[in-house]
Amino acid sequence: KAGVTQTPRYLIKTRGQQVTLSCSPISGHRSVSWYQQTPGQGLQFLFEYFSETQRNKGNFPGRFSGRQFSNSRSEMNVSTLELGDSALYLCASSKIQGGSYEQYFGPGTRLTVT
Amino acid sequence: DAKTTQPPSMDCAEGRAANLPCNHSTISGNEYVYWYRQIHSQGPQYIIHGLKNNETNEMASLIITEDRKSSTLILPHATLRDTAVYYCIVFSDNQGGKLIFGQGTELSVKP
Repeated sequence: KAGVTQTPRYLIKTRGQQVTLSCSPISGHRSVSWYQQTPGQGLQFLFEYFSETQRNKGNFPGRFSGRQFSNSRSEMNVSTLELGDSALYLCASSKIQGGSYEQYFGPGTRLTVT
Repeated sequence: DAKTTQPPSMDCAEGRAANLPCNHSTISGNEYVYWYRQIHSQGPQYIIHGLKNNETNEMASLIITEDRKSSTLILPHATLRDTAVYYCIVFSDNQGGKLIFGQGTELSVKP
């Protein structure tokens, strides 16, 4: 069974640009969550999508947005990039079964903003 | 904020059991204890979870105290490949997909 895939794996952008990252969940998983990881703040939750609807959102500015498609694939977008957006962006998928909510993470996209 | 407290680092000899503690004194009745680990530069990996009973799978065992205020993750025969940051997370399924990560425990397995 294929795992969670994220594209691209590495990205270099300039301040002020925007970026779109993609996540393909494990087949059959309907929930996709996104996280940002930086050395200073650790792993922080961005948002979760389930059945194409954002179900939960972390404490990030509106420049961070996402969406989910009918095949459960998800994208996140960051507009007007800032240097502080340099981070590892991780997505995780989950099947969601009563009382069992294991999340399976992809390898991440390493974003560098210059 | 994370609802768990873990030691920042631990060492373990290869082949020995690694016992990683976690305090979660404010855990609620409907909250599970989940463990993940992150090997350097990779995405976190799910290990195990439990509600109140001890759990075991092919990777590890989870021991939860009777009052549920603390737990211990046990890697029975640690290998060098178990060197990673281990995260203990308290989670209820009404949080949706929101995992709140603390700083975790950096486990170093030494030969």
